[in-house]
Amino acid sequence: DIQMTQSPSSVSASVGDRVTITCRASQGISSWLAWYQQKPGKAPKLLIYTASTLQSGVPSRFSGSGSGTDFTLTISSLQPEDFATYYCQQANSFPWTFGQGTKVEIK
Amino acid sequence: EVQLVQSGAEVKKPGESLKISCEGSGHSFVTSWIGWVRQKPGKGLEWMGIIYPSDSDIRYSPSFQGQATLSVDKSTSTAYLQWSSLKASDTAIYYCATLARHCNGKNCYLAGFDYWGQGTLVTVSS
Repeated sequence: DIQMTQSPSSVSASVGDRVTITCRASQGISSWLAWYQQKPGKAPKLLIYTASTLQSGVPSRFSGSGSGTDFTLTISSLQPEDFATYYCQQANSFPWTFGQGTKVEIK
Repeated sequence: EVQLVQSGAEVKKPGESLKISCEGSGHSFVTSWIGWVRQKPGKGLEWMGIIYPSDSDIRYSPSFQGQATLSVDKSTSTAYLQWSSLKASDTAIYYCATLARHCNGKNCYLAGFDYWGQGTLVTVSS
């Protein structure tokens, strides 16, 4: 199985801050990477797929980049509704695997 | 609007069987892959497997193969996840979700989970 490792595990930030989360795959996955946002008690929400394609309806302050083994999710200006846990997931080969999650907390 | 509505919370004893459901609407259920994701209390997301309703093609994660079974009923646009003998370690929230397709020219690929059910909490305790 492909292992996905996110860093950091948690980050404290203020409204308006730029936040970057990284995700590393244990082997190359081309651009087959998705990012999700999950708020407490809710189902995950797809933010980005194919590493950099914004899902319909997702604010443009979210962006994704990378290919191969190293990927980033950037929130350009953190908003109050963005405090949540973020997961990456590879879609290159079965079984798909998720990163362990990054919790974005209020500073 | 695509909607996935999952069955309600369940409390079971170890060794009991269970079948939970996920009813889809607002999309072509038969030609949309649907998958299941487990989330243990306070933990991350785990990919269990996916099923293509049209022909019941299934891809299981090796971690879940033989532990749980995916199925569908095309006549009711419903996907199912079932266990024949539950364990305490099966206690979790289970989500169903449809798979997003990314098309590049004439080729289409599965790219992530785009629409999610609300989750079903399964508690297994003696």
